[in-house]
Parts: sequence; structure tokens; C-alpha cells
Amino acid sequence: DQQVKQNSPSLSVQEGRISILNCDYTNSMFDYFLWYKKYPAEGPTFLISISSIKDKNEDGRFTVFLNKSAKHLSLHIVPSQPGDSAVYFCAASGGGSQGNLIFGKGTKLSVKP
Amino acid sequence: DAGVIQSPRHEVTEMGQEVTLRCKPISGHNSLFWYRQTMMRGLELLIYFNNNVPIDDSGMPEDRFSAKMPNASFSTLKIQPSEPRDSAVYFCASKRPTGNEQFFGPGTRLTVL
Repeated sequence: DQQVKQNSPSLSVQEGRISILNCDYTNSMFDYFLWYKKYPAEGPTFLISISSIKDKNEDGRFTVFLNKSAKHLSLHIVPSQPGDSAVYFCAASGGGSQGNLIFGKGTKLSVKP
Repeated sequence: DAGVIQSPRHEVTEMGQEVTLRCKPISGHNSLFWYRQTMMRGLELLIYFNNNVPIDDSGMPEDRFSAKMPNASFSTLKIQPSEPRDSAVYFCASKRPTGNEQFFGPGTRLTVL
């Protein structure tokens, strides 16, 4: 039973436009959420995170929004660049996960020039 | 600063052989995680250590898998005997004593023929 779900396996966006990646979770006890980016043949790299006490966190072109009532978070990338093309993983911690991160299956973003 | 180091980067072996994957966490990190990534199941946590002690090994698929962390700077994941269904990319990650971010190594791509 997946506790963290990324329902879109892929997303294609034009360079300069906004990319929106979505993530849903089922465990209301999760208290911290992270986004990772993964290029082929590399390990995932940390991108941005948000605590459950906030509803928005921004870092340059990247913004994460958290809607606790809907158990939904999203990652906005604006403007999108071809170098953003990668697989993006949503992850959650807390709620009895004992410090582990529970990952979604990822969304492959393609940014076309 | 060196990141998480994994070896080998690629391993091809025959069914029934023993496979040992190695990981050196980032200096000063006290938690270490082993993950397996497959197309079907995404990123799955196999086991994690805190201060060299295994905390949660519920993700280890079966007795053929074992992991050790003899000291703060080294961990191994062993599969004996290996089977074709073990073919996957295995990631090691480490974490500081505070914070939730995990830092991943480049992974070991294992192919069992």
C-alpha cells in the first residue's frame, strides 16, 4: 500500500513555462516532505523540503506547496529549463517512519527547448 | 567534500553467486540507509542503521540479504545466493544527526544473469 503517490509518471513542458509536479500522501502523521531530483546513472539529490507547519517554501525557481487538508503537495519550477529534465521524487518522513523517508515512484520531467 | 561513495558502480554476476556491495557514508553522518530501485517498485528502503546499529530491516526481502556496518565509515550489503530478480540499482544514503535530508551515493547497478 503506497503511502506516497506520484500519479503522473511523466510530464513534458516547454522551456520557460511552469512545471508543476504533484504528490499525494495517505499518512496524516507525516510531518516533513522533501523533493529529490535524479539524473540518469546518478543518485537522487535533495532539492527542497517543507515542514508540515508551513504551507509554502521557496528556493529560487523552485517552490513547494503543502495542502495538509488534502494531503497533497506540489513542486513548481518556474521558469523551466532544459537542465531541469530529470526524474523527481517526492518523499515524506514522520508518522512512525522512524526517520526513514517514504518515497513516491517519481515523475519524469522533460523540458523541451 | 566527498559525498557518499559506493562500489562497485556496476556488477554483473551469475545466479547463485555471492554479491557484496559497499558504501562509505559522508563523514559526520550517523545514519545510513540502503535502498533498492526497480521499475516496478520504485525506491524501496531495505535497511537502515543509526550509530552503526541496525534499526529497521523490515524491508530486507529475505534471508539471502544481509547488511553490516562494522564502523561509522563503512557498510556492506550482501546477497547470497543471488537471483535474477535481485537485478536492480542499489543506493546507499547517509544523514546527519539532525535534519531529515538524506544524501545519496551514485548507486550500484546489479545484474544477475
